[in-house]
Amino acid sequence: GNSVTQMEGPVTLSEEAFLTINCTYTATGYPSLFWYVQYPGEGLQLLLKATKADDKGSNKGFEATYRKETTSFHLEKGSVQVSDSAVYFCALFMNRDDKIIFGKGTRLHILP
Amino acid sequence: GAVVSQHPSWVICKSGTSVKIECRSLDFQATTMFWYRQFPKQSLMLMATSNEGSKATYEQGVEKDKFLINHASLTLSTLTVTSAHPEDSSFYICSASYREAFFGQGTRLTVV
Repeated sequence: GNSVTQMEGPVTLSEEAFLTINCTYTATGYPSLFWYVQYPGEGLQLLLKATKADDKGSNKGFEATYRKETTSFHLEKGSVQVSDSAVYFCALFMNRDDKIIFGKGTRLHILP
Repeated sequence: GAVVSQHPSWVICKSGTSVKIECRSLDFQATTMFWYRQFPKQSLMLMATSNEGSKATYEQGVEKDKFLINHASLTLSTLTVTSAHPEDSSFYICSASYREAFFGQGTRLTVV
């Protein structure tokens, strides 16, 4: 079946450090891939997305590239800020059944 | 972009009472909506798929008599937690899809 695996957290970094959160997926067919962010006490917000192989999603300095050959969608940011502290969820979406499948989430702490 | 509105954003109720949570798609019609539950510091667990005009499809282990879902129109799905108990306290999130998934703001339910 379809699944998403992302790196276990928590991840703790200093401000201005480089961030990578790994995400790999298993899917039959051609899913769309997403990163969602959840700030403390809030719901989910779409951070970025990619709908086909080699697409790069980007937003707020975050980037992720849809790599079909490695079935990956790693999230990166060159210089993190304290305000980036949140939980990040990698997810895949299959158009045929409208279901979205989440990874377990990675909690990110950025220290000033 | 598309908007999904969830109400209320938080609710406190007494043990044994029922609570209704509404999920509305504001600018698109959604034949299918999804209800998720999130335990503290954990990922989102799909509870059920809400189908307009027909019965909801529940995931394994989710009590359909405890979590009643009604999808009476193309823009509204409701989740009713019946005879709530403290262990039902959680963060509940709905989503609806229109080419991608859009999420409500979430409802934090506390049963005392």
